Amino acid sequence: DTEVTQTPKHLVMGMTNKKSLKCEQHMGHRAMYWYKQKAKKPPELMFVYSYEKLSINESVPSRFSPECPNSSLLNLHLHALQPEDSALYLCASSQERTLPLHFGNGTRLTVT
Amino acid sequence: QQQVKQSPQSLIVQKGGISIINCAYENTAFDYFPWYQQFPGKGPALLIAIRPDVSEKKEGRFTISFNKSAKQFSLHIMDSQPGDSATYFCAASRDTDKLIFGTGTRLQVFP
Repeated sequence: DTEVTQTPKHLVMGMTNKKSLKCEQHMGHRAMYWYKQKAKKPPELMFVYSYEKLSINESVPSRFSPECPNSSLLNLHLHALQPEDSALYLCASSQERTLPLHFGNGTRLTVT
Repeated sequence: QQQVKQSPQSLIVQKGGISIINCAYENTAFDYFPWYQQFPGKGPALLIAIRPDVSEKKEGRFTISFNKSAKQFSLHIMDSQPGDSATYFCAASRDTDKLIFGTGTRLQVFP
């Protein structure tokens, strides 16, 4: 089992809903990441937090809002999503932004 | 310059055979080259990684071969097993810069 835990595993939401994805790691890592992965494609970086501060935003639309409450937790708040936002959302962590990355098993998001 | 090109897109191998996946990069500043294995419904898991100061790294049945002058690296899976059937992503990075993934190879190993 992965040491990065993501909940929920599956999420179906309408375009007007507000939902949140959660990620937790207890490896003492100080960098946490959100990736988006479409079917048969590689993961695409969305956000990077380093020491609980946002250090990279890959020009992600504002309908995705990340939050890092503490060094073990990472949230992704979702609002007014579009059907094309349906994807597997992966959380990852690493020791102080050095590699390797440790991925969770993702949340499969479907926007209807 | 930031691309990592991966081939083939898909690969079918018989059980016991050798699976070979190739990647090429352009940015000579890259200094970390991992391979990730992803099963359906799961996140990518680090399989093996190499730095450019060595030409080969072996872990069990998995070997990375690295050719710095050609800017290419490859994954060899010896004695391929049906349980190896997964999607494999190569990647490259420079220090703490973001990981650049290849496009992925879907490997199917038939008994």
